[in-house]
Amino acid sequence: EAGVTQSPTHLIKTRGQQATMRCTPISGHTSVYWYQQALGLGLQFLLWYDEGEERNRGNFPPRFSGRQFPNYSSELNVNALELEDSALYLCAGGVGATILHVYGYTFGSGTRLTVV
Amino acid sequence: SQQGEEDPQALSIQEGENATMNCSYKTSINNLQWYRQNSGRGLVHLILIRSNEREKHSGRLRVTLDTSKKSSSLLITASRAADTASYFCATDKGSARQLTFGSGTQLTVLP
Repeated sequence: EAGVTQSPTHLIKTRGQQATMRCTPISGHTSVYWYQQALGLGLQFLLWYDEGEERNRGNFPPRFSGRQFPNYSSELNVNALELEDSALYLCAGGVGATILHVYGYTFGSGTRLTVV
Repeated sequence: SQQGEEDPQALSIQEGENATMNCSYKTSINNLQWYRQNSGRGLVHLILIRSNEREKHSGRLRVTLDTSKKSSSLLITASRAADTASYFCATDKGSARQLTFGSGTQLTVLP
């Protein structure tokens, strides 16, 4: 069974541009969680999507947005890129509170965004 | 200040030795999880301990949780070079499904 897949692996953008990255959870997982891992700031929660709806949002400006598609894959968009947006963006899949509380989250390998 | 602080920040040991990492947090939690990250790539879930549990084992891993001190420890016994990675604790405190990660411990196991 395929794990959580993220694309692209690397992304290089210029300040002010938009970045888009994708995440496909494990089959059967209906939730997608996005995290940012910036150097010196650690892993920070960005967004949670479930059944196509945004359920929770971390402390990030509105230029960080996303959506979840009917097949449960998700897209993260970062508009008006700033240099400090350079980070590893990780997504995780999950289903149901009970499963998560037993097995934890399943993370993808991430998209490394570099803003120049 | 940041919820979830690990110490030490870096740990270097010889293969075969035990490695102990600690994590402290600030608010009440539902559970605490430990993850491993190799070379800045994806996180791998290692073990989860619920707030009503005090100790849990999984293979060479042993996790303890002290909710009165708001702290946890991860012990890796008989370490191997392949255990070299960053280790993060993460707390999950409610229905918001929002994990709060610590700053991580970089473990280096020397062959």
